[in-house]
Amino acid sequence: GIQVEQSPPDLILQEGANSTLRCNFSDSVNNLQWFHQNPWGQLINLFYIPSGTKQNGRLSATTVATERYSLLYISSSQTTDSGVYFCAVVEGSARQLTFGSGTQLIVLP
Amino acid sequence: DVKVTQSSRYLVKRTGEKVFLECVQDMDHENMFWYRQDPGLGLRLIYFSYDVKMKEKGDIPEGYSVSREKKERFSLILESASTNQTSMYLCASSSPGGRGANVLTFGAGSRLTVL
Repeated sequence: GIQVEQSPPDLILQEGANSTLRCNFSDSVNNLQWFHQNPWGQLINLFYIPSGTKQNGRLSATTVATERYSLLYISSSQTTDSGVYFCAVVEGSARQLTFGSGTQLIVLP
Repeated sequence: DVKVTQSSRYLVKRTGEKVFLECVQDMDHENMFWYRQDPGLGLRLIYFSYDVKMKEKGDIPEGYSVSREKKERFSLILESASTNQTSMYLCASSSPGGRGANVLTFGAGSRLTVL
């Protein structure tokens, strides 16, 4: 099956800093999503982005499908951005998402 | 907004007990999924369903079964709970078409401890 690797595994930032999270995948995908899991465990969909670039407030994401990677940008980070960020993909004719192991982000006040 | 509701936030069960985890979604989604989440392993798919009475095995179905008698409800069953099934269980749903197709919406999770 498809492999999804996220980096870095852990990231500590000072409030106000910017960061870039990376997701590499081993095969062609037709669906890529980014999620944020808050410290209470709730997973929220941030972006559906199989290709191209999207922005939502301080967050933006870019997927370069031909090179098999996606990037999530967080600008002017806030303590509420803390949590785990997951990338998930669907390969080929499959219908279910495969998740990466996540990036644990801690934003310090 | 789509709402996915999991019946129990925290459960504590004993080894050998039968455990039911219930999940209900209110947006008429065809697709429903059960994942478990363990530290360092991310989310792993247990079972999923694309229609009523339909089920497909995910990556780690052993020790689990599911039931989907109604479109809005997807139940995960542990026939005989074991300590290695202590985990966070996450239910999700999605629609296969239209705006937001295949975008997953998750419930709040059910943290199961098996003693």
